[in-house]
Amino acid sequence: DVKVTQSSRYLVKRTGEKVFLECVQDMDHENMFWYRQDPGLGLRLIYFSYDVKMKEKGDIPEGYSVSREKKERFSLILESASTNQTSMYLCASSLGTGVPGANVLTFGAGSRLTVL
Amino acid sequence: AQTVTQSQPEMSVQEAETVTLSCTYDTSENNYYLFWYKQPPSRQMILVIRQEAYKQQNATENRFSVNFQKAAKSFSLKISDSQLGDTAMYFCAFMKLQGAQKLVFGQGTRLTINP
Repeated sequence: DVKVTQSSRYLVKRTGEKVFLECVQDMDHENMFWYRQDPGLGLRLIYFSYDVKMKEKGDIPEGYSVSREKKERFSLILESASTNQTSMYLCASSLGTGVPGANVLTFGAGSRLTVL
Repeated sequence: AQTVTQSQPEMSVQEAETVTLSCTYDTSENNYYLFWYKQPPSRQMILVIRQEAYKQQNATENRFSVNFQKAAKSFSLKISDSQLGDTAMYFCAFMKLQGAQKLVFGQGTRLTINP
């Protein structure tokens, strides 16, 4: 089975700090995604990447940036954390194309970020 | 832009009962995919079921089945013989057939199965 690993389950940061959330997948997936999950809002897409060094903005990219230097790793960066970025962050990956089910996203366990 | 709406924030049923979770969506696309994902209290989101819009037959996976009404843009999930392990958040999601394979999610329904 594909494994998507998020480096931290729980983080507590101060306002203004730079925050890195790391995500690694082990099945050579082309696509990787960062979502934010908030009660009553579901999951909202922050950024996604369909290839190394390629990235596209999702629905709520403001205040975030991403990095994908290697195929298996997709990092979410909060340049200057703010209290309204307190949330659950979910990373996901998908194979891409070529076989049935290639578009199914596999999710990591999530990273709960609290910004004080 | 596509939107997905789940109008039931919370539901609760007794073990062994059948429960139906509602989902409606809005899109101008003709071909697309629809998904139901489950997020148990441990937080790992997992796929429950997937439906291709160009297939008229409703998808089924063991105790899980969908009622896909394309004209009404409705995609409900039925769980038969519910079990305690079905307790979770359930998310309905939409994906375009062409272009970037990104999911658009609904707000979620918190389902509790009571013993």
